[in-house]
This record gives sequence, C-alpha cells and structure tokens, in this order.
Amino acid sequence: DVKVTQSSRYLVKRTGEKVFLECVQDMDHENMFWYRQDPGLGLRLIYFSYDVKMKEKGDIPEGYSVSREKKERFSLILESASTNQTSMYLCASQVNYGYTFGSGTRLTVV
Amino acid sequence: QQPVQSPQAVILREGEDAVINCSSSKALYSVHWYRQKHGEAPVFLMILLKGGEQKGHEKISASFNEKKQQSSLYLTASQLSYSGTYFCGTEGVRGTDYKLSFGAGTTVTVRA
Repeated sequence: DVKVTQSSRYLVKRTGEKVFLECVQDMDHENMFWYRQDPGLGLRLIYFSYDVKMKEKGDIPEGYSVSREKKERFSLILESASTNQTSMYLCASQVNYGYTFGSGTRLTVV
Repeated sequence: QQPVQSPQAVILREGEDAVINCSSSKALYSVHWYRQKHGEAPVFLMILLKGGEQKGHEKISASFNEKKQQSSLYLTASQLSYSGTYFCGTEGVRGTDYKLSFGAGTTVTVRA
C-alpha cells in the first residue's frame, strides 16, 4: 500500500513565523497535492505538483508556497503565518486514479 | 469551483438506506468518492469515469450522470461502520485540469 507521511500531527506557531509542512510518499508517484480542510468548507486545494520542481496554484494559494526538490517530497511553506491559516492541512499522492491522503497536520497559529 | 453536496447530514438506523448527491457546474471527466472518519484521513472509495456507470464498494455504490454533471452515492443496508463524512471530488476535462475539487461533505451517522 502507498504510504503518505506528514511529519507533524500537531503544530503551534506564532503569527509571522515561517512554517514548513513536510509530506513524503513512498511509491514514486508524480502527482502530489496540498489541501486545507475547514469545517463546512470541505477540502480546498492550495497547490499541486506533477513532477519535480514543477508546481501549480490551486484555488487558495495566497500566503503559501511549495517546494518539490525530490519526487517523493512535497513541502508546503507558510511564508508569514497568520491566524486565518489555522487549519487542518492534508497532503495527498495520486495512486492510479484515487488519492491517498496523509494523516494530516493540525496547525494552530497564535 | 467546488461541487455542491446534499444533504449536509443524515442520520440512519442500521439497515436503512441513504443517498448522497454531488452536483457540478462544469463538465466532468470523473467523480471520486471518499469517506473520512473522525480524526482520520479521507479514504478513497471509488471513482466513476463514464456516464451512467455504477461502481460498488461493499454495499456502497455510486452512479455518474455525465450529461447532468451529477453523481450519487448509495448507502444500502447501512452498517455502523458506514458512519463518517463523505466527500465527492470532481475532475474536469482530463488534459487540462487534473486536480480534484471537493464538496463540503455529508456527515453520515448510523445508529444501532
């Protein structure tokens, strides 16, 4: 089975900090995605990547950037964390057609 | 643009049936269905690629009406394990839009 690992389950950061969320998949998949999940809003796409060093904006990219230096690793960066970025962040890797999600990182910005 | 799911929530007794609908305003290549249990990651259930095709996962099946840009998920003879939040994910015309847009989710509670 594909495994998607997110490095932190819970994070608490201060406003203005630069935050790195890491995601690693173990099956050499090309397609990787970052979503944020908020109550009543479902999952909203932040950024995605089809290959190394390739990235595309999703529906809500403002305040975020990404890095994909190696195929297995896709990092989400909050350049200057703000309280409205408090959320659950989910990374996904595409397995044939279906997505495999990581267990998520619950980020609180104080 | 996110698809619209209905209903927002449904409560069932074991053995009852339910239908969850997913509607999009754009042409679709595929529809995915996922289930998320509390505190866990969403889990892939199935994908539908053709108009009118039905697929199944246990006693959960789905249909996809390509012309209407709608999909429905059918929970038949529900079990306690079916409780969770169900999300549909829609993919636009392949070749130009690979990413999934998810609905807000439908919370299903199955009671004994």
